Amino acid sequence: SYVLTQPPSVSVAPGQTARITCGGNNIGSKSVHWYQQRPGQAPVVAIYYDMDRPSELRARFSGSKSGNTATLTISRVEAGDEADYYCQVWDSSSDDYVFGSGSKVTVL
Amino acid sequence: QITLKESGPTLVRPTQTLTLTCTFSGFSFTTRGLGVSWIRQPPGEALEWLAVVWWDDDKRYSPSLKNRLTISRDDSKKQVVLTMTNMDPVDTATYSCARTRMAGRFFDFWGQGTPVTVSS
Repeated sequence: SYVLTQPPSVSVAPGQTARITCGGNNIGSKSVHWYQQRPGQAPVVAIYYDMDRPSELRARFSGSKSGNTATLTISRVEAGDEADYYCQVWDSSSDDYVFGSGSKVTVL
Repeated sequence: QITLKESGPTLVRPTQTLTLTCTFSGFSFTTRGLGVSWIRQPPGEALEWLAVVWWDDDKRYSPSLKNRLTISRDDSKKQVVLTMTNMDPVDTATYSCARTRMAGRFFDFWGQGTPVTVSS
């Protein structure tokens, strides 16, 4: 089965930039989506189609992809960005929707 | 405004069958390219996709759980129902439904989720 690998945690000071990686075999051929899940809340889509952002989400969130890694970048980090972040792809070979293990962002 | 809300039992005994209902509003299930999925999250663990039913009534299941899952829809009630047989304590999780986009295969609106504990 297809596996997505994320770092368990990312720590960043307010105002700095957080980068959350998501590694997967041949991920370049797949659309990568990112979800933000604040404590006790439902996930919300943060980035879809690798780099598109919902209109209601601030421009501080961006997505990119290079080689076998996708990256979610949060610029000018704020306390409200503390959350778990999950990447997700659809694996066509198994018709399965695969989530990464999640990365907890802590604002120092 | 698009909303989804899950309902069902909070406690299930081992070997029993779990039945969960997702009631949605703000969109039509007849819209081409839309579906509703079920996704679960064990305490402190990652998200796991379970099943999806599409606008054309096509149904797909997680390869690892497909033998235990059945998803169905009731358009008149705007509901999607998931049944999972032979429940085990490892199935303890928060179960959520989410609107699913076929283009891109992602989940654009989520319900709050409903917790289910499997225990004797």
